[in-house]
Amino acid sequence: QVQLVESGGGVVQPGRSLRLSCVASGFIFSSYTMHWVRQAPGKGLEWVAAISEDGNRIHHADSVRGRFAISRDSFENTLSLQMSSLRVDDTAVYYCTRDLSGGGCDYWGQGTLVTVSS
Amino acid sequence: QSALTQPPSASGSPGQSVTISCTGTSSDVGAYNYVSWYQQHPGKAPKLMIYDVNKRPSGVPDRFSGSKSGNTASLTVSGLQAEDEADYYCSSYAGSNNPYVFGTGTKVTVL
Repeated sequence: QVQLVESGGGVVQPGRSLRLSCVASGFIFSSYTMHWVRQAPGKGLEWVAAISEDGNRIHHADSVRGRFAISRDSFENTLSLQMSSLRVDDTAVYYCTRDLSGGGCDYWGQGTLVTVSS
Repeated sequence: QSALTQPPSASGSPGQSVTISCTGTSSDVGAYNYVSWYQQHPGKAPKLMIYDVNKRPSGVPDRFSGSKSGNTASLTVSGLQAEDEADYYCSSYAGSNNPYVFGTGTKVTVL
């Protein structure tokens, strides 16, 4: 069965960096566009970044562009999010999700919590 | 990219229907038939309920249906059940530069 397992969250000070990972299993990872979506405590969902099946097309939300970088390793079936210059308002649960050909995200991980605090 | 607009709350009694709207622009909802809806229970990951405006993934009850008219999409939950009480979010593809935008979310209460 399809599984997405995130890791790497934790408490970090403003301005520091953190790297999130998502290990995928149960499907052909290299055949799917993947996304990171986040949810601040008590708030709604916010799309963060997307990467195409082959890794050649990458998009980031305006709120993270220049600070976050999405990447993938199809040999390790791993999706990553390198986060730098973290701000307090980056505090959120970060979800790894699989794209359903542009029409939605059909599988989600359990999420990993990132807390940015001094 | 601004969030799609949803009503903060909606409610209905068991067995009744509730419809949630999702208003975007001619650059997102109005431009593409790539609207999706998610259900989220407290402390859980979102679950895809509708994709491509009106398609249901396997396992989603046919009580859930989606539609779109112009820049507004809608999710209807018929025959409300207690387990339908949750937060619901819409999402739309919005073009190649900022591919996705989510709605503001609607809390559905089953009275």
